[in-house]
Amino acid sequence: GNSVTQMEGPVTLSEEAFLTINCTYTATGYPSLFWYVQYPGEGLQLLLKATKADDKGSNKGFEATYRKETTSFHLEKGSVQVSDSAVYFCALSEANQAGTALIFGKGTTLSVSS
Amino acid sequence: ETGVTQTPRHLVMGMTNKKSLKCEQHLGHNAMYWYKQSAKKPLELMFVYSLEERVENNSVPSRFSPECPNSSHLFLHLHTLQPEDSALYLCASSQDIGPTDTQYFGPGTRLTVL
Repeated sequence: GNSVTQMEGPVTLSEEAFLTINCTYTATGYPSLFWYVQYPGEGLQLLLKATKADDKGSNKGFEATYRKETTSFHLEKGSVQVSDSAVYFCALSEANQAGTALIFGKGTTLSVSS
Repeated sequence: ETGVTQTPRHLVMGMTNKKSLKCEQHLGHNAMYWYKQSAKKPLELMFVYSLEERVENNSVPSRFSPECPNSSHLFLHLHTLQPEDSALYLCASSQDIGPTDTQYFGPGTRLTVL
């Protein structure tokens, strides 16, 4: 079945460090890929998405490129801030006979210190 | 109010109680979802509704009973729950149930079953 694998956390960085959170997926067909972020005590918010191969999603300084050849969608940010501390979820969405489903990874906790 | 709202935000119930979770979306979307977020497990899709009709049920125990009276409201009725049902229950909505449709999440209801 379809699945998403994220790097284990927690990831601990100093402010202004470079961030990479790895995400790989297994899917039949051509899924859309998403990164969601969950701040403490809140629900999930869409961070960025890409709907086809080689698309780059970007938002708030975060970027991820849909790589079909490596089945990856790694999240990057050039300079993290304390306010980026949150849990990040990689997800894929693919149509099935029932409509569609979002399949999430387990999440990666990012902690940024000043 | 805007976006997706959920009430209550916190709920403590005994195993013999009956309670309901409420979700409301103010986005004019046609699809709504219930997810379960347990510690150290990926988000699990429970139910999907499109235009008030259930389109997916991922083998959820019958002690969870969804209801979608209209496209803006979604309920999750709970009865005779088990302690392992303690989790964060997230509601989401999307314009439709296509694979590129972004899902927008509410803040969740933190449920504790004693």
